[in-house]
Order: sequence, then C-alpha cells, then structure tokens
Amino acid sequence: EVQLLESGGGLVQPGGSLRLSCAASGFTFNSYAMSWVRQAPGRGLEWVATVSGTGSSTYYADSVKGRITISRDNSKNTLYLQMNSLRAEDTAVYFCAKRDLLSSSPLDSWGQGTLVTVSS
Amino acid sequence: SYVLTQPPSVSVAPGQTARNTCGGNNIGSKTVHWYQQKPGQAPVLVVYDDSDRPSGIPERFSGSKSGNTATLTISRVEAGDEADYYCQVWDSSSDHWVFGGGTKLTVL
Repeated sequence: EVQLLESGGGLVQPGGSLRLSCAASGFTFNSYAMSWVRQAPGRGLEWVATVSGTGSSTYYADSVKGRITISRDNSKNTLYLQMNSLRAEDTAVYFCAKRDLLSSSPLDSWGQGTLVTVSS
Repeated sequence: SYVLTQPPSVSVAPGQTARNTCGGNNIGSKTVHWYQQKPGQAPVLVVYDDSDRPSGIPERFSGSKSGNTATLTISRVEAGDEADYYCQVWDSSSDHWVFGGGTKLTVL
C-alpha cells in the first residue's frame, strides 16, 4: 500500500524558513516523480513544485520560484521542500503526491498534508 | 500562463446526473485528470487520461472532452459524492501543472 506522510509544518514568521519532508513507502520511490501541491485556507489546489525520479530535474510555480527548493533523497525514500523568505500568502496545507515519470501523468496518490502558517 | 475554468458550484438531487465542466484553450490537445476532495481530506484521483477510472472508483464517474471543454459526469448521484472537484492538466509550453479553481458539488 502506498503511503505518503508529510511532516515539518508549523508556525513561522514572515521572512523565515521551513523545511517540509514527505516519507514514502509501498512503492519504488526512485521510479516516480514527486510533487508538492498546496491549498490555502478556503481556497483551491495550487501546484507548487515537481522533481523527477532521479532528482536531476525540478520545476516550480512562478509564485514560489527563487524562494522554494524541491529535492529528494532516494536512499531514504524521502521528498523535501525547503521554503525560504516565507510570506503570509504561503500559508496553506502542503500535500506531497506521486506521479508516473511521464509529465502528463496524474497525481495518483497523495499524503494527508501538513499545515504551514506564516504569521507574526 | 494556462488557465482552467470551472464553475464554483453545481447542485443536483440524489439519483440525478451531475456534470462538472472544465474549460481551457485547446484543452483537446491536453490530457485531463479529475480529483475529488472532501472536507478535511486529501484529494483523490477519480478520472485520469480524460476518461479512465482508477481501480476502486465507481463506474458512475466518467470523463469526456468536447471542443474546449472537459466534463466529469457523475451518474446516480449519492450523498457521499458531495465534495469539491478539480480538473488538472500539464501545460507543456511552460512545464507547469495547472489546476482548475474547483467546483463544489452539493447534493440537495
């Protein structure tokens, strides 16, 4: 059974940093691309970033480019999201999700999410 | 950037058919996926590659495309289908993954 478990969320001040983790199990981790998707309170889903199976290719939404870095450690079956220069508008539940290597593939499994609150 | 447009809400009586639409420029050339999200839960994939269903998803859920619109159809709607529904595509020109704004399905 595929399991994705996010952690690392919490309260952080504007301008601060946070690193989210997503522990994966139940599938061959390095055979899948992984993505982060966020959802601000009361709002819709917003794609944040994607990393290829090897970690060599990364893609970012314009709203986070330059402030957020996606990475993975295939030896630990773990996905990361390093968030810097955080803003109030980054407040959201952050979900990790897995996807086949083909870019047009769907996000077929999701974690339960971790809440990030950016506030002073 | 590529935009997907969904109506904010759809209402339907139990047993009837609900149609959730998703509009986008030249969406016919893109592969559309649909997700269901219930309050406080993670999204669940209900239709992928325009019209295929993952295992475990009832046959009542189906997808189609025509012109610049993709549609998620839910037949014989049940109270448990009440949720937000999102369409999603990959925009190859920008290498961005795009979600529609979501439609809240209310079962009357």
